[in-house]
Amino acid sequence: AQSVTQLDSHVSVSEGTPVLLRCNYSSSYSPSLFWYVQHPNKGLQLLLKYTSAATLVKGINGFEAEFKKSETSFHLTKPSAHMSDAAEYFCVVRMDSSYKLIFGSGTRLLVRP
Amino acid sequence: DTGVSQDPRHKITKRGQNVTFRCDPISEHNRLYWYRQTLGQGPEFLTYFQNEAQLEKSRLLSDRFSAERPKGSFSTLEIQRTEQGDSAMYLCASSVPQGVDGNTIYFGEGSWLTVV
Repeated sequence: AQSVTQLDSHVSVSEGTPVLLRCNYSSSYSPSLFWYVQHPNKGLQLLLKYTSAATLVKGINGFEAEFKKSETSFHLTKPSAHMSDAAEYFCVVRMDSSYKLIFGSGTRLLVRP
Repeated sequence: DTGVSQDPRHKITKRGQNVTFRCDPISEHNRLYWYRQTLGQGPEFLTYFQNEAQLEKSRLLSDRFSAERPKGSFSTLEIQRTEQGDSAMYLCASSVPQGVDGNTIYFGEGSWLTVV
């Protein structure tokens, strides 16, 4: 069965410093992996997706993630945090043969001025 | 393309009342999903439609919940005899199976339900 573990429930960074949000997945098959962002009282916006092409995936707003099969990880990074990045981030896995998304419990990113 | 649209955005209802939420997917997206998100948690899958056919229902979807997609376009999610535990955000999403954007699932902004 697939599952996703987001290793930090909260991450706090200063504006202009790098962001690292950690995600480990468990899947018996070749997974599709996603990062979604949710701003307060809003729906989910897709940041980026990995679907077995390049292992380094670039997304919107300067975010990127690297798929590491040996570590079963899909960590999200950004070189320089902006105040507008403050939100909840969800790591998500889906088996290629399925249509259901399995969400992690989320990481709340706080950006200090 | 206006994205996935959900209505109403907020609903407060008394326990025991019925509520219905509507979702309009992105045009030509034949797959439609409902998820539920409670405070502090990630969304959980409820049900999935391909065109008008409901292909899967989660065990989270009790008998009080029913979802329809009668013409393969918009969908409704009805909750009968609401309970306080039904308070959550109900998210609708849609996708297409093929193409450059294949299998990318797009979410609406959700419908908040508060049962008092």
